[in-house]
Amino acid sequence: GENVEQHPSTLSVQEGDSAVIKCTYSDSASNYFPWYKQELGKGPQLIIDIRSNVGEKKDQRIAVTLNKTAKHFSLHITETQPEDSAVYFCAADRGGADGLTFGKGTHLIIQP
Amino acid sequence: DGGITQSPKYLFRKEGQNVTLSCEQNLNHDAMYWYRQDPGQGLRLIYYSQIVNDFQKGDIAEGYSVSREKKESFPLTVTSAQKNPTAFYLCASSMAGGRVEQYFGPGTRLTVT
Repeated sequence: GENVEQHPSTLSVQEGDSAVIKCTYSDSASNYFPWYKQELGKGPQLIIDIRSNVGEKKDQRIAVTLNKTAKHFSLHITETQPEDSAVYFCAADRGGADGLTFGKGTHLIIQP
Repeated sequence: DGGITQSPKYLFRKEGQNVTLSCEQNLNHDAMYWYRQDPGQGLRLIYYSQIVNDFQKGDIAEGYSVSREKKESFPLTVTSAQKNPTAFYLCASSMAGGRVEQYFGPGTRLTVT
């Protein structure tokens, strides 16, 4: 089955700097890679996703890159703000089966 | 107001008791999912359902059961056979298929003592 590794587990950056979170996956049949943001005590919310037919996708300060050959994808947040502080999860589809396999999460801390 | 509701937000039970967590959606989604979240862990798939009256086991189904009698509802029962039931439980739904956005509910925090 699919295995998703996520690094780092905690990331602290100064407000205004950029943050990068990286994930690797194992199943070459996976084609859908979403990123979720979870605030304390709440359910995760999708912030951006990418499919295997593109290498990069941007939405304002957030971008995701995908390297299918190396089986890794990354989340980039520029000009970080205090409201970006949260736990971020990467995920990959399960190669045709329903459901997603999630990474263990990155706690992003924005220092004022 | 469309979305997914889970109730209750906090649930306390004694060891040895079964407990059922509610999940309802009004998004007209065909697929529904249950995940378990533990501190420092990602979300792990318990069960999922693609259509009414059908469901499949996920990665950690032991000690759990589900039903899907209505499209809108996908309740999860945590049985006494589940060795470590204390966790945060998240329900999600999506349009049919595994390669689409999943919408999550607010979660239920279950504590078993």
